Amino acid sequence: DAKTTQPPSMDCAEGRAANLPCNHSTISGNEYVYWYRQIHSQGPQYIIHGLKNNETNEMASLIITEDRKSSTLILPHATLRDTAVYYCIVRVAGAQKLVFGQGTRLTINP
Amino acid sequence: DAGITQSPRHKVTETGTPVTLRCHQTENHRYMYWYRQDPGHGLRLIHYSYGVKDTDKGEVSDGYSVSRSKTEDFLLTLESATSSQTSVYFCAISELGLRERAYEQYFGPGTRLTVT
Repeated sequence: DAKTTQPPSMDCAEGRAANLPCNHSTISGNEYVYWYRQIHSQGPQYIIHGLKNNETNEMASLIITEDRKSSTLILPHATLRDTAVYYCIVRVAGAQKLVFGQGTRLTINP
Repeated sequence: DAGITQSPRHKVTETGTPVTLRCHQTENHRYMYWYRQDPGHGLRLIHYSYGVKDTDKGEVSDGYSVSRSKTEDFLLTLESATSSQTSVYFCAISELGLRERAYEQYFGPGTRLTVT
């Protein structure tokens, strides 16, 4: 199974870009990278996903390296409301679940 | 936000009693899921449904049963609650299924269950 590695915690100043790294060195060619976040006591929230190309939506950008062994989620202008646990997930081929690891606890400081 | 509600939002019950949690969606999505979240374990899939009356087990299904008689409702039942089932339970929905290569899941607000 492809696994992900994320730093347990990060800090970022309000208004700056938050760059959250994720390593997934055993990812297979047809596995997607997903990012979710969970704000305290709420259900997880889908952010973005990608396969090979960089992706951008209204919430964030996802940069995937050419060898697909790592990716970075970018929140371009972080706000206090972006404080949350961010999960990088690789969908396990053929499996019937999302596997949530421990994620990165991102704290946005005023 | 996706139209997902869970009821009750909080419940305290005694060991050995049956408990049913309800997930209701207004999105007409085909797939529904039940997860539990515990400190140190992240979210773990209990059961999921891929259509009315079609359900399957997740990774931690022992002690739980589910039913789906209508597209919009997915019920999770603890036949005889135990203290180890104290947890936060999340319902999720998606349009594409788990067997597809790409999908998004939308989560409900959660139910905090305490078994004493």
